[in-house]
Amino acid sequence: EPEVTQTPSHQVTQMGQEVILRCVPISNHLYFYWYRQILGQKVEFLVSFYNNEISEKSEIFDDQFSVERPDGSNFTLKIRSTKLEDSAMYFCASSGYSGGVHSYNEQFFGPGTRLTVL
Amino acid sequence: AQSVAQPEDQVNVAEGNPLTVKCTYSVSGNPYLFWYVQYPNRGLQFLLKYITGDNLVKGSYGFEAEFNKSQTSFHLKKPSALVSDSALYFCAVRDPSGGGNKLTFGTGTQLKVEL
Repeated sequence: EPEVTQTPSHQVTQMGQEVILRCVPISNHLYFYWYRQILGQKVEFLVSFYNNEISEKSEIFDDQFSVERPDGSNFTLKIRSTKLEDSAMYFCASSGYSGGVHSYNEQFFGPGTRLTVL
Repeated sequence: AQSVAQPEDQVNVAEGNPLTVKCTYSVSGNPYLFWYVQYPNRGLQFLLKYITGDNLVKGSYGFEAEFNKSQTSFHLKKPSALVSDSALYFCAVRDPSGGGNKLTFGTGTQLKVEL
């Protein structure tokens, strides 16, 4: 069964450093997402990406964050200068589209990358 | 703005008994509703969804959920709980009238099934 994969599973970085979190979405999916879950809190939407551009982003997704689909298979989240409060589990997700007014396909999530900022 | 409420932080059930995990939502249009399950140190696994049609939807592992528009609820149910169902359950909503695909999640309900 196809699945979303994410690397690394755990990333430790120093405050102020840049990090890149990597995801390989399910191959025939067209929509890509990043969410994050701070320890003990709910899952929060960061950004969605379709047709090589951001389609929606949350207030959390400020200028320190960027996303890219560099090669047609990977989908990356970059945090330019990490802060302590960026420590969280970051989930990548992808979804397809099967046509029709009510054809909305569920999002499939990867296992997450735990980011620890020291 | 769309929102989801899961009023119970934890639900305890004996194995073999029916279980219910509650969820209520708020959206401006007709909602798309989802349930996901998270096992320790794992990602979110999709269980089931309601988009349109029959109010009772069936999903993976014997779970089902009933969409109730008048009560704005989408409670998750299972007729007979298993110890292996113990996990963190998240309800999520998408408001298609907003034009975006983002999911808004509830705070999660920890389900504990005991022998």
